[in-house]
Formats: sequence, C-alpha cells, structure tokens
Amino acid sequence: GQQLNQSPQSMFIQEGEDVSMNCTSSSIFNTWLWYKQDPGEGPVLLIALYKAGELTSNGRLTAQFGITRKDSFLNISASIPSDVGIYFCAGRGGGSNYKLTFGKGTLLTVNP
Amino acid sequence: NAGVTQTPKFQVLKTGQSMTLQCAQDMNHEYMSWYRQDPGMGLRLIHYSVGAGITDQGEVPNGYNVSRSTTEDFPLRLLSAAPSQTSVYFCASRRQETYSYEQYFGPGTRLTVT
Repeated sequence: GQQLNQSPQSMFIQEGEDVSMNCTSSSIFNTWLWYKQDPGEGPVLLIALYKAGELTSNGRLTAQFGITRKDSFLNISASIPSDVGIYFCAGRGGGSNYKLTFGKGTLLTVNP
Repeated sequence: NAGVTQTPKFQVLKTGQSMTLQCAQDMNHEYMSWYRQDPGMGLRLIHYSVGAGITDQGEVPNGYNVSRSTTEDFPLRLLSAAPSQTSVYFCASRRQETYSYEQYFGPGTRLTVT
C-alpha cells in the first residue's frame, strides 16, 4: 500500500521560533491534508491542498503541495504555546477514491 | 451543528467481552470511517462506508464489524475484545464529492482491554 514518511518525529522549540515539517510519499498523491491533534482530542483539519505547487495559508500556518506530487510541507511561523500538539499529514493517491493515508505524526513542544 | 460525536469517551473491557462504539454526524456526510490510533503507528483505517447500506474494510479490519443503516450513524462493534484492541478509536466523516477530501474527526473513544 501507499506509505507516508513524516519528519521530524518530534520537535522541541522556543516560543517565537518558526517550525517546518514535511511528508514524503513513495507514490504520487492527488490531495494533501494537514491536521493538528491536541492532547485527548481528535485531529482537526488545518489546511487542504489539491493542486501540485499550491501554497495555502491559514493564519500563521502555511502548507505547500510539492511539485513532484510526492511531498508536502507545513510551516508554522512565530510559534506560541498553544501550537503544542501532534501534526499529521494525510494524502490521497490516484488509485484510491475514498481512503486517506496518514503519516505517523510530528509531536511539537513549544517552550514558553 | 454538533459535528461528529462519539460515545463513550472511555471504556474498560475484559478480554472476550463485546461492545459497540457509537458514532454519529449531523452534517449529512455520505462517507464515514473508523480509525484506531496507537503510539508510533499514526491513524490506521479499520472500516469505512460510502453511504447507508454500504461498508468496506480498511487496513486493520480483523476483530471489528460495522453497519450503516442510516446516513447519520456508523457504529463499530468489537466482537470479542482482545488486549491488542486497546487503543484510541476515532470516527470521521466527509462529503463524497470527488474534489473534497476534507475529513472531520470525532473526539475519540479510549478503550482499554484487560
């Protein structure tokens, strides 16, 4: 099946720093989604990307759909303590109409 | 609009017991799915449904049953609980249009099997 590699697995940063994380796929994806999961809660959708090269922002978050269609990036600018959580990427390949494949997540810790 | 709701929030079962995890959505979404989340494993798809009366298996279906009699509800049944089914279970839903894969998750059910 399709696999997603998400990196880094975890990050420890100081408040105010910028953050970058990414996902890579062994095959082409047609859709990329980025989610955030707070402790004890379900994942919440942050950004959805549908076209290669697409760059989309949501407040301090910016995500990009890689040109090769095999990767996606999420950047968080000027991090704040409430950015703490697990960030997941998810993708849909061309051969699967319904299913999303999820990365294993990046655990972000922000020190105030 | 409550979104996706799940009950119970926490459950402890003994090995061999059966139970049903409830999931409901009020967004009229055609597509619903169940995932389990284990440390270091991310989210793995158990079963999914593209509409009332239609279900299919995901990545890790063994030990679980689903049915979809209405658009709103998608219960997950554990037939005979095993310690390996200790996990956090999430239900999710989305619209069925091919251009939209924006999936919304419930708050989760934390299950422990002893």
